[in-house]
Amino acid sequence: LAKTTQPISMDSYEGQEVNITCSHNNIATNDYITWYQQFPSQGPRFIIQGYKTKVTNEVASLFIPADRKSSTLSLPRVSLSDTAVYYCLVVPYNFNKFYFGSGTKLNVKP
Amino acid sequence: GAVVSQHPSWVICKSGTSVKIECRSLDFQATTMFWYRQFPKQSLMLMATSNEGSKATYEQGVEKDKFLINHASLTLSTLTVTSAHPEDSSFYICSASKDSNNEQFFGPGTRLTVL
Repeated sequence: LAKTTQPISMDSYEGQEVNITCSHNNIATNDYITWYQQFPSQGPRFIIQGYKTKVTNEVASLFIPADRKSSTLSLPRVSLSDTAVYYCLVVPYNFNKFYFGSGTKLNVKP
Repeated sequence: GAVVSQHPSWVICKSGTSVKIECRSLDFQATTMFWYRQFPKQSLMLMATSNEGSKATYEQGVEKDKFLINHASLTLSTLTVTSAHPEDSSFYICSASKDSNNEQFFGPGTRLTVL
């Protein structure tokens, strides 16, 4: 399974765009990249998933370069309620176990 | 859709007692359910994977006799922490998947405090 590396923490201000990058140098051909958000004392919540190039939904965008060795979660115009831990996971399509890395603690300031 | 619930939300028990935590998929049938443990300021750690009607598969280092998992139906899995001790105090989270792909839906978690 591909190992992921993310910054431990990031600070931002309300209204800014936040980009969190995840490195996964040994990603395999059938691996998908998935991001989850977790608030304190809650279960993780799915944000976005992608395989290559760019994926966008109503809450975030996911940018994946051609070599797929990294990915960037982009949160547009963050608010205080986006303060949470964000986890990047790389999982084969038909493999259903999740091994979470350390995640990135995003702190949004007023 | 794809809602997972856990019960109880929090529980406090005395050392030496056993505690059962339920995980239910409310609006779908879960072929596989997962149990995680999360200590304060740490990441989630996968404890075990369970499929309906079969024995759970435990991750390395997780004692199967201490953390009993029962997956009796496609909508319910239970985790029993037997003879709980203070070091078992943690946040226990379950998740469920509908099929063999890699999508998991997480429950809200159960906070266990062992006195």
